[in-house]
Amino acid sequence: DAGVTQSPTHLIKTRGQHVTLRCSPISGHKSVSWYQQVLGQGPQFIFQYYEKEERGRGNFPDRFSARQFPNYSSELNVNALLLGDSALYLCASSLGGYRTYQPQHFGDGTRLSIL
Amino acid sequence: DAKTTQPNSMESNEEEPVHLPCNHSTISGTDYIHWYRQLPSQGPEYVIHGLTSNVNNRMASLAIAEDRKSSTLILHRATLRDAAVYYCILRDAAGGTSYGKLTFGQGTILTVHP
Repeated sequence: DAGVTQSPTHLIKTRGQHVTLRCSPISGHKSVSWYQQVLGQGPQFIFQYYEKEERGRGNFPDRFSARQFPNYSSELNVNALLLGDSALYLCASSLGGYRTYQPQHFGDGTRLSIL
Repeated sequence: DAKTTQPNSMESNEEEPVHLPCNHSTISGTDYIHWYRQLPSQGPEYVIHGLTSNVNNRMASLAIAEDRKSSTLILHRATLRDAAVYYCILRDAAGGTSYGKLTFGQGTILTVHP
């Protein structure tokens, strides 16, 4: 079975631009979460979506937004890019459902570099 | 979120057992203990989780202290492929608005020597 897939794998943007990152969850998984990982640190939670609704949000500015589609795939959008947005962006999927603690399955991420 | 404390780094030799400790003195009764690892240039990978009893799976074993204030991830025979950053994470089984959130710390960098 295919795992979590993310696209693109690498991306270079300049300050002020907009970026869209995409994630396809494991088949049957209805929950998608997004994380930002800056070099040398652990991943930081950005968003979680379940059944197309936002279920959790981390401490990130409004420049960050996301959505989930009927097929449970997801997009992460970042506007007005800053140098500090350079990071590895990770997507994770799980079966989902309220009050669950199922493991999350991660993709290998999109490496975003801001010049 | 309840916090965990792990050593910054550990070293092991190939084919020897590895015991990775994690302290979580403020753990609540509904917190599950999860372990993930992240190999170089990859996303994190789920390893194992448990609540009160020791757990075993094909990857590792999880030993949980009786008072649940600490736990140990055990790799029975380390291989070079086990070199990674290991994260110990608490997840509230009661859910709530942040039930989908994993809170990663700095983790333990495991180096395996041939």
